[in-house]
Amino acid sequence: DAGITQSPRHKVTETGTPVTLRCHQTENHRYMYWYRQDPGHGLRLIHYSYGVKDTDKGEVSDGYSVSRSKTEDFLLTLESATSSQTSVYFCASSPGVQETQYFGPGTRLLVL
Amino acid sequence: QKEVEQDPGPLSVPEGAIVSLNCTYSNSAFQYFMWYRQYSRKGPELLMYTYSSGNKEDGRFTAQVDKSSKYISLFIRDSQPSDSATYLCAMSDTDKLIFGTGTRLQVFP
Repeated sequence: DAGITQSPRHKVTETGTPVTLRCHQTENHRYMYWYRQDPGHGLRLIHYSYGVKDTDKGEVSDGYSVSRSKTEDFLLTLESATSSQTSVYFCASSPGVQETQYFGPGTRLLVL
Repeated sequence: QKEVEQDPGPLSVPEGAIVSLNCTYSNSAFQYFMWYRQYSRKGPELLMYTYSSGNKEDGRFTAQVDKSSKYISLFIRDSQPSDSATYLCAMSDTDKLIFGTGTRLQVFP
């Protein structure tokens, strides 16, 4: 399995506070992705990256920003967390387009 | 209408049963079709990957793609309690995957 980790694994925060989630992969994969998973919606793409400093929006990008300064790290930031952003967040990476995406273990975020 | 539709279940079957999981989709441009398995409180992991139409078999698992009907299936033969998980279909035409909502499967001894 690809070595992909996420931190923190659990977080509780208050509405209006900034939150940053980190994804780290050791496989030198070019592509990295952030998803959120909610009941009834499945996995929805937030943002993705196709190289260092190259990112693009996904289906549900409002309220989120990302950065990728190194191949191995992909950060997801909630500038001002809202209760609607309570979710489980998954990071994934893949070596190329149309290739297998390898998922991290997820981060459970609760916004009070 | 969602691009990818998947029955959420739950689907409960006895050990040894044949399980059929299905997804329908609306975008005829989809060319790559995948099935991911997700155990409770874990990340999804790839189970099957197929390109275009046809069948693919891997042990007890068979993936079928019918592009003319915009319908994909995953069959599990001789199901085991360890197969209890949520199964997500996913498909793509470019560099992004579109996931179904997942079907929760419970295999009881």
